[in-house]
Amino acid sequence: GEDVEQSLFLSVREGDSSVINCTYTDSSSTYLYWYKQEPGAGLQLLTYIFSNMDMKQDQRLTVLLNKKDKHLSLRIADTQTGDSAIYFCAEVTPYGNKLVFGAGTILRVKS
Amino acid sequence: ETGVTQTPRHLVMGMTNKKSLKCEQHLGHNAMYWYKQSAKKPLELMFVYSLEERVENNSVPSRFSPECPNSSHLFLHLHTLQPEDSALYLCASSQEISGDPYGYTFGSGTRLTVV
Repeated sequence: GEDVEQSLFLSVREGDSSVINCTYTDSSSTYLYWYKQEPGAGLQLLTYIFSNMDMKQDQRLTVLLNKKDKHLSLRIADTQTGDSAIYFCAEVTPYGNKLVFGAGTILRVKS
Repeated sequence: ETGVTQTPRHLVMGMTNKKSLKCEQHLGHNAMYWYKQSAKKPLELMFVYSLEERVENNSVPSRFSPECPNSSHLFLHLHTLQPEDSALYLCASSQEISGDPYGYTFGSGTRLTVV
């Protein structure tokens, strides 16, 4: 079955690194995504990683994928107050033909 | 704007009312989706449309009735809702219903409160 789990809350100080973790269950997932939701807004695609990669870097964002443990993480370097939002991990499978989301992690950045 | 527009942004309705949520995209996408977002719960996929045909209905109560008159528009008709239906309803679209590198494009959602 498909199930995505995330911790609900993370608090960091401005300038520190944030690491948001996610575990998923479907080993046939082809793509894994990170979405960001700011207050009052819909979900915005931040980054994605293909399942045959173990790392992807995009400016301040680093995505790490451990396929063996079915673990995905998002690291935000030099976290800013504007990074405060809810971050959703999502997986898509070729058989499910849909995105399956976690419950989201609330990131709070303290200045 | 993300390319997917949802109206209204906020809606308060009584349990006996009938209302509709609207979603519009001009991205040339062929698939559209309704999601329900409740606090501290994963996003719940409600309906999937591909080329105006409903391809998935995830055991959604009949008080929610979707309509997709064309590939650019998606509606969610609401009637006799319950207070527990209060949530943020998100519309999304994608090029196809199979996974692609760019995922989905989401609207900003309609915040629904049932009183």
